[in-house]
Amino acid sequence: QKEVEQDPGPLSVPEGAIVSLNCTYSNSAFQYFMWYRQYSRKGPELLMYTYSSGNKEDGRFTAQVDKSSKYISLFIRDSQPSDSATYLCASRLTDSWGKLQFGAGTQVVVTP
Amino acid sequence: DSGVTQTPKHLITATGQRVTLRCSPRSGDLSVYWYQQSLDQGLQFLIQYYNGEERAKGNILERFSAQQFPDLHSELNLSSLELGDSALYFCASSVVGSNEQFFGPGTRLTVL
Repeated sequence: QKEVEQDPGPLSVPEGAIVSLNCTYSNSAFQYFMWYRQYSRKGPELLMYTYSSGNKEDGRFTAQVDKSSKYISLFIRDSQPSDSATYLCASRLTDSWGKLQFGAGTQVVVTP
Repeated sequence: DSGVTQTPKHLITATGQRVTLRCSPRSGDLSVYWYQQSLDQGLQFLIQYYNGEERAKGNILERFSAQQFPDLHSELNLSSLELGDSALYFCASSVVGSNEQFFGPGTRLTVL
C-alpha cells in the first residue's frame, strides 16, 4: 500500500465550478503537505504547501490538512480551462531531507 | 521555466543497455533529487544528493546509480535496462531546508 493515496480521476468540471481534490496518507509522522500541478509533458510545479494541520489560501487555491483523519484537500475556485492538469499531493517528514512521497495524481479537465 | 535543465529529452535504447541522464540544478541550489514517473507507479523518489553527498535513498534499484559533481550537476546511470524501466525521469533541485523542489522537464526513456 502506498503511503499517499489519491484517486487518479479524471475529474471533469465546467468552467467556473469549484474543483475539489483529496488525498489520504498513512504515515502519521508526515508534517509537510504539498500540492503540485503537472501539465502534460512538463515537470511538476509546486502550488502550495502547508505545515501540520490547518488551512492555507493563495488566490483561487485553498489547501487543507486534517491530521486527525490523515486527509489532505485542495480546492480550486472559479476554475478555468488553464487549470486543466494533473494535480499531485505529496507529503514528507520533518527530517527527511526533502524526500517526498507523492500520490498518484488526479487528472482535472475544466471544460469551457 | 524552472531553471532546472535535463538532457536528453528523449532516449530510446534496447534491453540490457546502459544510459546516463544528466541534470543541471537551478543556480544556487545544492540539493538534487531524482524521480521516476510511470503510469503504474506514479512519481517515485529515487535518490537525493546534497553538495556532492548522497542524503536520502528511495526505491532505487541496484542497477541504478547517481552522483553529483563538484559543479553540482548530477547524473543518473541506469544499467542492464529492462522493459519496465521505460518511464519519465525527473530531476529536481532546491535550496537546503526548502519545501519547494523545482522540477526539470524530464527525460523520457523508452526501452525496446
